[in-house]
Amino acid sequence: NAGVTQTPKFRVLKTGQSMTLLCAQDMNHEYMYWYRQDPGMGLRLIHYSVGEGTTAKGEVPDGYNVSRLKKQNFLLGLESAAPSQTSVYFCASSYLPSQPMLQETQYFGPGTRLLVL
Amino acid sequence: SQQGEEDPQALSIQEGENATMNCSYKTSINNLQWYRQNSGRGLVHLILIRSNEREKHSGRLRVTLDTSKKSSSLLITASRAADTASYFCATVGSYIPTFGRGTSLIVHP
Repeated sequence: NAGVTQTPKFRVLKTGQSMTLLCAQDMNHEYMYWYRQDPGMGLRLIHYSVGEGTTAKGEVPDGYNVSRLKKQNFLLGLESAAPSQTSVYFCASSYLPSQPMLQETQYFGPGTRLLVL
Repeated sequence: SQQGEEDPQALSIQEGENATMNCSYKTSINNLQWYRQNSGRGLVHLILIRSNEREKHSGRLRVTLDTSKKSSSLLITASRAADTASYFCATVGSYIPTFGRGTSLIVHP
């Protein structure tokens, strides 16, 4: 199993450009997440998905869009990149909780470093 | 906003010593998880403790949870240079974990 993979690993964008980050998991997980990590801020949730075809906003969703057309993939889009979106982006996935309102372990990808000039 | 907050922010110890880091949170939780992040890598799950558990062990790791004080601690015994990493707690109230800012641990050989 490859686990959670992310592409690309690194990207430089100019302000106003758009791009899509791809996350793929081969563990048949229901839940998928996109986080950003900035120095001193820990991880902040951007968007998440509890199943194919469903998405929801997290803590910092502005400027990002997501899609979950296939269960194994979760795409994060930046329509018009801004310098404030310079960050390291992590994707994660997890199993459907065994009981309602429980959350299980998250499996993380290696991250995508994005620099917006 | 982060729910869990780790303390200390940074910890520097010698190999063989124990390392203790703490996590405090504000609202009720279903479980609390600890993760490790090596420099330039993704997070790796270490241990999960549920709200009805008080202590859990995994190898050299010991996690405690005190729901009355809304706090948890992670103890790494007999630390090694390879334990150098950032450690994060994640609190789970509903479906979505909330991560703290992390503790940066340096273990000197």
